[in-house]
Amino acid sequence: EAGVTQFPSHSVIEKGQTVTLRCDPISGHDNLYWYRRVMGKEIKFLLHFVKESKQDESGMPNNRFLAERTGGTYSTLKVQPAELEDSGVYFCASSPLGVRWYEQYFGPGTRLTVT
Amino acid sequence: RKEVEQDPGPFNVPEGATVAFNCTYSNSASQSFFWYRQDCRKEPKLLMSVYSSGNEDGRFTAQLNRASQYISLLIRDSKLSDSATYLCVVTWPSAGNNRKLIWGLGTSLAVNP
Repeated sequence: EAGVTQFPSHSVIEKGQTVTLRCDPISGHDNLYWYRRVMGKEIKFLLHFVKESKQDESGMPNNRFLAERTGGTYSTLKVQPAELEDSGVYFCASSPLGVRWYEQYFGPGTRLTVT
Repeated sequence: RKEVEQDPGPFNVPEGATVAFNCTYSNSASQSFFWYRQDCRKEPKLLMSVYSSGNEDGRFTAQLNRASQYISLLIRDSKLSDSATYLCVVTWPSAGNNRKLIWGLGTSLAVNP
């Protein structure tokens, strides 16, 4: 079974540019989560989709971040315009619906560097 | 106060040693508790859930003390392959009926030959 995949693995952009990260969850997993880890800090929750619906986006830092999950399959996270403090590793995770929602399978992450 | 607090380490132990990690959490409404493991520059992976009665999975034992808001992980007979960062994770109620994972900074373990 294929795991969670993320693209790109690395991205280096200049301040003010736009970047779009993509996540393909495990097939059949309706829950999809985005997290971010800034160097030296804890992993932080960004948002949670159930199928194509945003269930909780309380962790999104500001309106420069936009997440979508059209059709309830893959998801994208766009940062526009990027700022220096957006640098970090962005993880996507997926899990099935139900009581085992917390068994989240993580992708390898996208390492974003804003210069 | 941090939401989930862990000693970052590093813990350096010889093979075969027993090592224990502790974690405290600030929100008494936390409902579920987990240990995740993260290898260097890799993604986190669920190691085990932590139950009120304590639970064991091979060489790993997890304990929860709700009154003290404290979680522990004990690793017996350490192997070289146990070298990793161990992340303490709790769930908090969030919007609607949702819950979200709140992460500690992680404790780094290095098992030496």
